[in-house]
Amino acid sequence: NAGVTQTPKFQVLKTGQSMTLQCAQDMNHNSMYWYRQDPGMGLRLIYYSASEGTTDKGEVPNGYNVSRLNKREFSLRLESAAPSQTSVYFCASSEGMDSGGQPQHFGDGTRLSIL
Amino acid sequence: AQSVTQLDSQVPVFEEAPVELRCNYSSSVSVYLFWYVQYPNQGLQLLLKYLSGSTLVESINGFEAEFNKSQTSFHLRKPSVHISDTAEYFCAVRASNYQLIWGAGTKLIIKP
Repeated sequence: NAGVTQTPKFQVLKTGQSMTLQCAQDMNHNSMYWYRQDPGMGLRLIYYSASEGTTDKGEVPNGYNVSRLNKREFSLRLESAAPSQTSVYFCASSEGMDSGGQPQHFGDGTRLSIL
Repeated sequence: AQSVTQLDSQVPVFEEAPVELRCNYSSSVSVYLFWYVQYPNQGLQLLLKYLSGSTLVESINGFEAEFNKSQTSFHLRKPSVHISDTAEYFCAVRASNYQLIWGAGTKLIIKP
């Protein structure tokens, strides 16, 4: 049971390049999330998808776009990468945002460096 | 807006000693509280959660946390730590819009 799978695990980009981070979950979860993790700042929500067909902005959406391709997959796109987007990106999923205390399940992260 | 404060960025402790990682949250009508653990180069995993009922919740690996409504705290404790507990620990609260609000994390450093 793979859980949440993120690709790639590592990536180095030049300023201005674009790329898409992929995320897939096999737990039949309704809700999916993209976070970034920076030292001393915990996790900050970039975008989320409460259910298939919907996406919403989180705390730090600028410079990113997302696509909920189907119930399993939720991708994050950087259209024009900037050094400030150097971070570790985590995808997570949960049964449903409003389903009480159901936990979020995380992938292992994508370590992204923008030069 | 709701917020979560983890008072210590790092906590060094000797192996087999007790430890407490502190977490305070801003008040809300209903409170769902979580502790997650992140081992090096991995994603976060749920350690334990408080939804309702008993204010003391336990994990399978010996950690416990106590919900204190009057002090708006949800501190994490373990009576005797092991080297394998080396990780970063995150406290989180579910906000009124169902999103999780995260603390900045506390690195638990186990000294041999």
